Amino acid sequence: ETGVTQSPTHLIKTRGQQVTLRCSSQSGHNTVSWYQQALGQGPQFIFQYYREEENGRGNFPPRFSGLQFPNYSSELNVNALELDDSALYLCASSLYMGSTGELFFGEGSRLTVL
Amino acid sequence: DAKTTQPTSMDCAEGRAANLPCNHSTISGNEYVYWYRQIHSQGPQYIIHGLKNNETNEMASLIITEDRKSSTLILPHATLRDTAVYYCIAFRLDSGAGSYQLTFGKGTKLSVIP
Repeated sequence: ETGVTQSPTHLIKTRGQQVTLRCSSQSGHNTVSWYQQALGQGPQFIFQYYREEENGRGNFPPRFSGLQFPNYSSELNVNALELDDSALYLCASSLYMGSTGELFFGEGSRLTVL
Repeated sequence: DAKTTQPTSMDCAEGRAANLPCNHSTISGNEYVYWYRQIHSQGPQYIIHGLKNNETNEMASLIITEDRKSSTLILPHATLRDTAVYYCIAFRLDSGAGSYQLTFGKGTKLSVIP
């Protein structure tokens, strides 16, 4: 168990709706990153937050956005949902410029878009 | 980050050593080799990482060839709980942004057989 918690664990939305996913990072970790994992694929990097600002982004459109709060917890927001957004969304926490570069992942939020 | 190539799947008998290969022929001098695994329906879990020396921890050993073009993850005594997808990742910390953007491929599905 990593100490990274995500909610909700499962949810179903319809096309065009908006969704917010939440993540509480491991105690003492100040950096949060989000990954999308489609069925049968490896996780794909969405973005990373440090000190409440985005400091790295993968190849995802602007309708994917996020927030980091002063307690280092984070939200992932996705607007105008599309069918292809159906995936497992993973949150990972770490120490900024940590010596090992090790990420601690949560169990994920499984989103189904109908 | 350099691309890595892994076999799609492997089997290993319980109690035997599992040797998982990874090719990273275009790896640059400052890129580390990281290994993560993902047990079904869970988030990825960090296993080990190394730059050019062999590394060992309580979970596994990592053998990196002298030219750094390939590596092998060794699980010395595989158990049924080691059944998972194993990801080999070449990773260079972006020193400017400190972004932990890991590039996951499809990994190797290891099945440990009783």
